[in-house]
Amino acid sequence: AQSVSQHNHHVILSEAASLELGCNYSYGGTVNLFWYVQYPGQHLQLLLKYFSGDPLVKGIKGFEAEFIKSKFSFNLRKPSVQWSDTAEYFCAGSYSSASKIIFGSGTRLSIRP
Amino acid sequence: EAGVAQSPRYKIIEKRQSVAFWCNPISGHATLYWYQQILGQGPKLLIQFQNNGVVDDSQLPKDRFSAERLKGVDSTLKIQPAKLEDSAVYLCASSLDRVSGANVLTFGAGSRLTVL
Repeated sequence: AQSVSQHNHHVILSEAASLELGCNYSYGGTVNLFWYVQYPGQHLQLLLKYFSGDPLVKGIKGFEAEFIKSKFSFNLRKPSVQWSDTAEYFCAGSYSSASKIIFGSGTRLSIRP
Repeated sequence: EAGVAQSPRYKIIEKRQSVAFWCNPISGHATLYWYQQILGQGPKLLIQFQNNGVVDDSQLPKDRFSAERLKGVDSTLKIQPAKLEDSAVYLCASSLDRVSGANVLTFGAGSRLTVL
């Protein structure tokens, strides 16, 4: 079955540390990949997306993600985190053969000021 | 533009009671989704509409859950009778009209259900 996996459930970093959150998807043909973020008390919102083309995609607030087809991965990165990045991050994917968008279990990011 | 509207924001019921949630998507968005998010888990798709037709309801527990989108705009999700394991946040999202996986979802604030 098609799936999206996030193995880091809770990540704690200090401000200015570098961030990498893992995301893996199962094989299923051409894939579309997303990262969504939910800040405390706010709606889920899109951080960035990959449909095709350049495998390195840039999103809002300095986040980027790299699509590595050989590793079935779409890890989220940020070179220097801020306290305001405290949130829950969800990786999601869909396949061109179907429109269902599947979410991972999420990673809670806590930033120590 | 106005966002995705959901109501009620919070609901507490006893098991075996019924509950209904309402969603109004962004104007012009033909595709509407209902997701269930249990604490500590990612959102799970319950049902997806394209206009007023169902695209995917494979994970909707049809013995107790029902959803409709009669005029292709707003939607209602109903649970009857509720079970303890239905305690979750019910998220509504909408996207532009392509039936494709390359859709960006806009989410509402969610309706938090507690079943006692």
